[in-house]
Amino acid sequence: TQLLEQSPQFLSIQEGENLTVYCNSSSVFSSLQWYRQEPGEGPVLLVTVVTGGEVKKLKRLTFQFGDARKDSSLHITAAQPGDTGLYLCAGLVPGGKLIFGQGTELSVKP
Amino acid sequence: GAVVSQHPSRVICKSGTSVKIECRSLDFQATTMFWYRQFPKQSLMLMATSNEGSKATYEQGVEKDKFLINHASLTLSTLTVTSAHPEDSSFYICSAAGGTTDTQYFGPGTRLTVL
Repeated sequence: TQLLEQSPQFLSIQEGENLTVYCNSSSVFSSLQWYRQEPGEGPVLLVTVVTGGEVKKLKRLTFQFGDARKDSSLHITAAQPGDTGLYLCAGLVPGGKLIFGQGTELSVKP
Repeated sequence: GAVVSQHPSRVICKSGTSVKIECRSLDFQATTMFWYRQFPKQSLMLMATSNEGSKATYEQGVEKDKFLINHASLTLSTLTVTSAHPEDSSFYICSAAGGTTDTQYFGPGTRLTVL
């Protein structure tokens, strides 16, 4: 069974601080996706990383895919209250299924 | 991006009754639809994968007789929670995938509360 370990599970920081969320696995994924979910809504795709070593930037968010395609990180620079939410990583496995990490509940206080 | 809808958005039912949740792909043909369950403060857990016109494939530990899935057309899949109990209360989310990509488009979720 392929598992994705996501950490930390909870993060409470002040506006302006930086943070990093990690997703690690012993398995290789063909691609890895990051989602953000607001309470009572479905997850919204932020980015898909496919190539080992790939780095993608989305404004203040930087996503990295490990060289071996087993791990990934999300770094947020100068966090804002609007970044508050649940961040989920998910690895794509054969059959088109997504395996989700445990999620990181981020709270950014003004 | 593609649009996926779910109906109802929230439902409250009595213990022992059955509840049907619909998942529709509004602007594309979804050859595959996925059903997830999410408990408060937790991540999404895949329940089953359904392909249009064939039987759903359930994940280990998910009772197929309790969670009936029908994917009768390329735009509609339904999840029926039969004889619901309070422990079935959860947030149910569907996603749809189609075409040549593996991208899944998620619905807004359905909040089920069983009294």
